[in-house]
Amino acid sequence: GQSLEQPSEVTAVEGAIVQINCTYQTSGFYGLSWYQQHDGGAPTFLSYNALDGLEETGRFSSFLSRSDSYGYLLLQELQMKDSASYFCAVLGGATNKLIFGTGTLLAVQP
Amino acid sequence: DSGVTQTPKHLITATGQRVTLRCSPRSGDLSVYWYQQSLDQGLQFLIQYYNGEERAKGNILERFSAQQFPDLHSELNLSSLELGDSALYFCASSVSGQGAGSYEQYFGPGTRLTVT
Repeated sequence: GQSLEQPSEVTAVEGAIVQINCTYQTSGFYGLSWYQQHDGGAPTFLSYNALDGLEETGRFSSFLSRSDSYGYLLLQELQMKDSASYFCAVLGGATNKLIFGTGTLLAVQP
Repeated sequence: DSGVTQTPKHLITATGQRVTLRCSPRSGDLSVYWYQQSLDQGLQFLIQYYNGEERAKGNILERFSAQQFPDLHSELNLSSLELGDSALYFCASSVSGQGAGSYEQYFGPGTRLTVT
């Protein structure tokens, strides 16, 4: 089967840097995606890592270590609007489904 | 705006009833995915269609069914509704339907279903 673990909540202050970790277990692995979801809104795609290393997109970066079955999302220069839930998702398994973690609720405080 | 549309936005119905949720994917996307999100829960994958054919199934209940039509829009049918079916139902679409192509999915605004 597939399973993902990420912290349920993280709190940080405006302007700071925060890292949201994700560990996964899956039979067959293509890559790790990250999605952002504001309260009651639609999830939006942030990043995807298929290979080991760091991918940077503006203030957001995502890292993957396939050997450790681990990844993280790094948010820099935090803004109040970054308060949202962040989901890691593994693409893998026998039918290449995208399986989402339970999400990390990020609260950015002034 | 992701380009994915879902109707209706809200739906309130009684237990035992049947409802249909509708989704139109982004222009050019061949794959449609359905997800269920209950209060404070993650996104539970229900089912995927690619170009009219069922491609992958998740933990979809037998009371639920879906289809994708020739114009690529999709419908999710929920029957014999129970209180526990109350949730946000999202539709997503992607260009591809398998492998690395489906890691980037575009989500619609969701349908909030309340079963009373």
